[in-house]
Amino acid sequence: GNSVTQMEGPVTLSEEAFLTINCTYTATGYPSLFWYVQYPGEGLQLLLKATKADDKGSNKGFEATYRKETTSFHLEKGSVQVSDSAVYFCALFNTNAGKSTFGDGTTLTVKP
Amino acid sequence: DGGITQSPKYLFRKEGQNVTLSCEQNLNHDAMYWYRQDPGQGLRLIYYSQIVNDFQKGDIAEGYSVSREKKESFPLTVTSAQKNPTAFYLCASQSLAKMNTEAFFGQGTRLTVV
Repeated sequence: GNSVTQMEGPVTLSEEAFLTINCTYTATGYPSLFWYVQYPGEGLQLLLKATKADDKGSNKGFEATYRKETTSFHLEKGSVQVSDSAVYFCALFNTNAGKSTFGDGTTLTVKP
Repeated sequence: DGGITQSPKYLFRKEGQNVTLSCEQNLNHDAMYWYRQDPGQGLRLIYYSQIVNDFQKGDIAEGYSVSREKKESFPLTVTSAQKNPTAFYLCASQSLAKMNTEAFFGQGTRLTVV
């Protein structure tokens, strides 16, 4: 079956620090990969996505590259801001399954 | 604007009562999903539906029921059989016709048993 394993949190960084949140997956076929972000008391919203091997998704300074050889989709940002404090979820969508598989989420806190 | 709307935002239930959470989308998405999220936890799939008048159990369906009479609507009923219903409930929708599209989430309903 499908599964997503995320780096455990919480993660606490100082403003302008470099961020990496690791994500690895197991899936049959060729899933699409996503990072979603959740702010307190809200639903999830798409941060970025990649739909095939070697694709790089990017948005708001965040990046992640679809690595089929290592089955990974690590999230990176070169300089985090206080406003980046949120919970980040890695996910895959496999058309055959018709539903998404989510990691457990990683809570990021950025301190000024 | 197209989107997915959950209501109410906050809901209080007495023990032994059934309550229904609303989820409506105007994105013309085929698939709709209900998730439960407990504090500091990830998402757990309750039910999902890929087509009108059909739905499948997710990982934690016991104590919940759903219907999909219209493409736009996917209400979730939390029954008295659900032992610990206090949680944050999220509804999502996704296109199955367009490849590689993301899920769209509502703002959530926070249910509290009093």
